[in-house]
This record gives sequence, structure tokens and C-alpha cells, in this order.
Amino acid sequence: DGGITQSPKYLFRKEGQNVTLSCEQNLNHDAMYWYRQDPGQGLRLIYYSQIVNDFQKGDIAEGYSVSREKKESFPLTVTSAQKNPTAFYLCASSIGPISYEQYFGPGTRLTVT
Amino acid sequence: GESVGLHLPTLSVQEGDNSIINCAYSNSASDYFIWYKQESGKGPQFIIDIRSNMDKRQGQRVTVLLNKTVKHLSLQIAATQPGDSAVYFCAVLTGANNLFFGTGTRLTVIP
Repeated sequence: DGGITQSPKYLFRKEGQNVTLSCEQNLNHDAMYWYRQDPGQGLRLIYYSQIVNDFQKGDIAEGYSVSREKKESFPLTVTSAQKNPTAFYLCASSIGPISYEQYFGPGTRLTVT
Repeated sequence: GESVGLHLPTLSVQEGDNSIINCAYSNSASDYFIWYKQESGKGPQFIIDIRSNMDKRQGQRVTVLLNKTVKHLSLQIAATQPGDSAVYFCAVLTGANNLFFGTGTRLTVIP
């Protein structure tokens, strides 16, 4: 059963703590993405990776970090430097660059208090 | 830059009627357009896409229309069903790696 998994579905953290969100895909896709979704706003790109060991900043990368050590995995770390981390985080992948159809995971809702 | 917006934040339709959801974009160089459906608490699901060399594309019960002259995109859903209730948003690709997402229209189907 191919797809993208994100875990956990809900995550709660205290302010000042770093937290890592998991994203795994078994679609053999080269490209992976992290988006943030806030109420009343469109998805905003945080980071993307078109190939293993390479990633690029998106529109709102400040306060976030990623790694792409394996093709299947693209974890996102929300650092304490992110001023407003509470949001719904979506991971996606595509077979090719960003111009190809992106498949989304179920999302992780992060709440920081 | 690019701005992408949907015309209505909410839309209610009777079950069995057709639904039309609209999206406007600003950059005439945009060349790839996607419609997504997002149910509550879930990730977006690809519905249909269209490239700028086309003005219409049909899928199962869905049709996307592209009017490049007025920079307008629409999603038509035929015979709307309760399972179609969700947020629908468009995404517009401008340049090699710039995908802009609209804010979404919440479609409610009234049984």
C-alpha cells in the first residue's frame, strides 16, 4: 500500500523546545516538500528537496530545518527560533520537480504552548 | 510575484446539482494549474490538473476550465454528492519551482 505517512497526527510541545515531524514515502518519488497550513491562508512552502542530500528553502524557512539522508524520508525540525510554530504541517512528494502532481500526507497538527 | 485567490470562501449546493468553484491568478506566465480537495483534518488530495496549452480538461465528474485571457480557473463538479463536501483549492505554478496555493473554498452539499 503505497503512500506518504506523517507521524504523529497531533503533537504538543512547550515553547522553547525543538520538535521533529516525521515524513516517510514509499512511492519512490525523488522530490519531497514541507508545507505549513494556517486558517484562511493558502499552503506555504517551508522546504523542498529534489534529490537525496539536497534541499532548498521555500518561502518561510526561517525557524525550520530539514534533512534528506534517505530518499524515503524528509523529517522537519521546528526549532525554538520559529516565532509562531502552532500550525498544521503537510508533507508531500512528487515523482519529479515541483511541476509534477504532488501527493500529500495526512498532516501533523503541532500545538506549542 | 503571484497571487492566487478563490472567489468565494464558502459555497453551498443541493445534492445532485452542479458545483462551480472559481480561482483567479495574477501572473500571465503561469503554466500549470492544479485543483486539490481537502477533507477536514486530512491532507489535500489531487483532483485534476491542466497545463496552459489547454483550456479544458475532464475527469470523472469533474471539469477544469482555464481562461488565460482573464487569468481565471474553474472547477466544475457534476451531480454533487455529500462526499464532495470539503475545501477545494487551486495551485498555480509560475516558473520552475514556484507553486502558489489559493486559500480555498469550503463546499457544503445539502442533502
